[in-house]
Amino acid sequence: QSALTQPPSASGSPGQSVTISCTGTSSDVGGYNYVSWYQQYPGKAPKFMIYEVSKRPSGVPDRFSGSKSGNTASLTVSGLQAEDEADYYCSSYAGSNNFVVFGGGTKLTVL
Amino acid sequence: EVQLVESGGGLVQPGGSLRLSCEASGFTFSTYSMNWFRQAPGKGLEWVSYISVSSTRIYYADSVKGRFTISRDDAKNSLYLQMNSLRAEDTAVYFCARCPGSYSFDYWGQGTLVTVSS
Repeated sequence: QSALTQPPSASGSPGQSVTISCTGTSSDVGGYNYVSWYQQYPGKAPKFMIYEVSKRPSGVPDRFSGSKSGNTASLTVSGLQAEDEADYYCSSYAGSNNFVVFGGGTKLTVL
Repeated sequence: EVQLVESGGGLVQPGGSLRLSCEASGFTFSTYSMNWFRQAPGKGLEWVSYISVSSTRIYYADSVKGRFTISRDDAKNSLYLQMNSLRAEDTAVYFCARCPGSYSFDYWGQGTLVTVSS
């Protein structure tokens, strides 16, 4: 069982927006602004999409945005495109004992 | 271009050992913290271990503590994971990844599969 809770699946039609949640506790998501998001295609390595809750690395489209409220972080994908269909994982710093914890992943389907 | 290439995976019997390697190129390896992650078949990502610059701080997930050892050789631009007392539940694809700060991981290798089975 993953430390952070994500919905197993999410979906949307091309052009629409979809939001994926990532719920933790005050010991991880709620306690630090160190939430990251990763995109992973089947059989491939994860790709770095968001860091420090809402910052985008260079090269990541601005269709991807992150936010946080309390113990829940969110990833929003706007203007859905077919290439956005992938698994998405959130992670958070969880202190020196647990270091980094992940969500179980959300499979995003573009209808 | 930043590249991370893992090697050393394979089939091992329960109780056995393996040493994974991660060769880095395209950046100054000695100035970055590095990590190992794993992903069991059909499952999510799991952080395994962290090593800081100059190996001054090392952390392990509880699931591998006492069995796995992370190390680095900056002269060889390489990261290692020595895995002992392997169990069936250690079966996974193991990834190395660079940590640029903020407890995030910006470049990942392609992974190496470790299968623990008799």
